[in-house]
Amino acid sequence: GNSVTQMEGPVTLSEEAFLTINCTYTATGYPSLFWYVQYPGEGLQLLLKATKADDKGSNKGFEATYRKETTSFHLEKGSVQVSDSAVYFCALRGASGGGADGLTFGKGTHLIIQP
Amino acid sequence: DAGVIQSPRHEVTEMGQEVTLRCKPISGHNSLFWYRQTMMRGLELLIYFNNNVPIDDSGMPEDRFSAKMPNASFSTLKIQPSEPRDSAVYFCASSLTPGLAGAEQFFGPGTRLTVL
Repeated sequence: GNSVTQMEGPVTLSEEAFLTINCTYTATGYPSLFWYVQYPGEGLQLLLKATKADDKGSNKGFEATYRKETTSFHLEKGSVQVSDSAVYFCALRGASGGGADGLTFGKGTHLIIQP
Repeated sequence: DAGVIQSPRHEVTEMGQEVTLRCKPISGHNSLFWYRQTMMRGLELLIYFNNNVPIDDSGMPEDRFSAKMPNASFSTLKIQPSEPRDSAVYFCASSLTPGLAGAEQFFGPGTRLTVL
């Protein structure tokens, strides 16, 4: 079956530091890959996505590249801010579902940015 | 657009009681998903509907859980009888148009359920 593995943290960084959150996956075929962010007390919001190999998703300074050869979708940001403190989830949706399948999530990475 | 609406936001109940969680998807979305979030297991898909029809309920933990979608604008997740281990945050999400790779799921704010 499908699975997603990500570093769980917490990850604590200083403001303006470089961020990498690793994510690897197991799936058959060509899944779609996502990063969601969850702020305290809120639901999940889509941060970025990629639907095929070598695609790069980007949003709000965050980037992730779909690497099929390493089955990875690592999240990066060049300079983090205190407002980036949240829980980040890597997720995939299998290729067979035609868009209606549910998401398989990693356990989430709690990111803490200190001023 | 109001986004996905869930009610109640918080529910505290006693073991053995029936619990009903409600969800209103975004208008026009034809897929609806129920997820559960716990510290131990993270986010898990419980069930999803496409055009009001349950497609995959393999994530429903046991017969105490049931979900319905009587129309395109409303879904319920019911637990009867509830147990302390059901304590979790339950999220509803909806999406538009199956068949599009990368179709985004929009999540509601969640219902935090505590079973004493």
